[in-house]
Amino acid sequence: QSVLTQPPSVSGAPGQRVTISCTGSSSNIGAGYDVHWYQHLPGTAPKLLIYGNNNRPSGVPDRFSGSKSGTSASLAITGLQAEDEADYYCQSFDSNLSLIFGGGTTLTVL
Amino acid sequence: QVQLVESGGGVVQPGRSLRLSCATSGFTFSSYGFHWVRQPPGKGLEWVAVIWYDGSNQYYADSVRGRFTISRDSSKSTLYLQMNSLRAEDTAVYYCARDLGTFSNYASYFDYWGQGTLVTVSS
Repeated sequence: QSVLTQPPSVSGAPGQRVTISCTGSSSNIGAGYDVHWYQHLPGTAPKLLIYGNNNRPSGVPDRFSGSKSGTSASLAITGLQAEDEADYYCQSFDSNLSLIFGGGTTLTVL
Repeated sequence: QVQLVESGGGVVQPGRSLRLSCATSGFTFSSYGFHWVRQPPGKGLEWVAVIWYDGSNQYYADSVRGRFTISRDSSKSTLYLQMNSLRAEDTAVYYCARDLGTFSNYASYFDYWGQGTLVTVSS
């Protein structure tokens, strides 16, 4: 069981908005550590989507956005497209200097 | 362009050893820290180990500490993971990833990853 909790799956129709939550605790997200998000298609290299809670690397569409509040963080995807269908992971740190990932969320575009 | 290419995976018996390599190109290898991250079949990502940009420090997940060793060779721009006393639960796709942050500041994150190499531990 992952230290960071994500919903196993979310879905949405093309053009819609979906959010993926990442819930931690006072020893990780709540301690002030940054949250980062990755998109992963099986068999490929994961891709950095959001770093430092709400920053997009160059080349990532502005349809993707991140936020953080208290012990949780969220990834929002607007204008859903078929190519967004993938697994999404949040990542942060725990107070014992352990790098941690969420359990992952599978996004299905209906 | 930036490339990370893992190799060395395969099928190995429990208790045996295996060494993974991650050949890099397209950037100054000695300027970055690197990590190994793994993904067991049907499961999520799990952090394994980190090595500082200059090789001066390494940290490991509790599940592999004492069995795995991360190292680097700047002359070859290559990262390694020596895996000893392998167990069935080490079966996973192993990814190397470049650190754009600073692990000691609880600020690591990964801007480039390899495609992964599969390690299967089975008798």
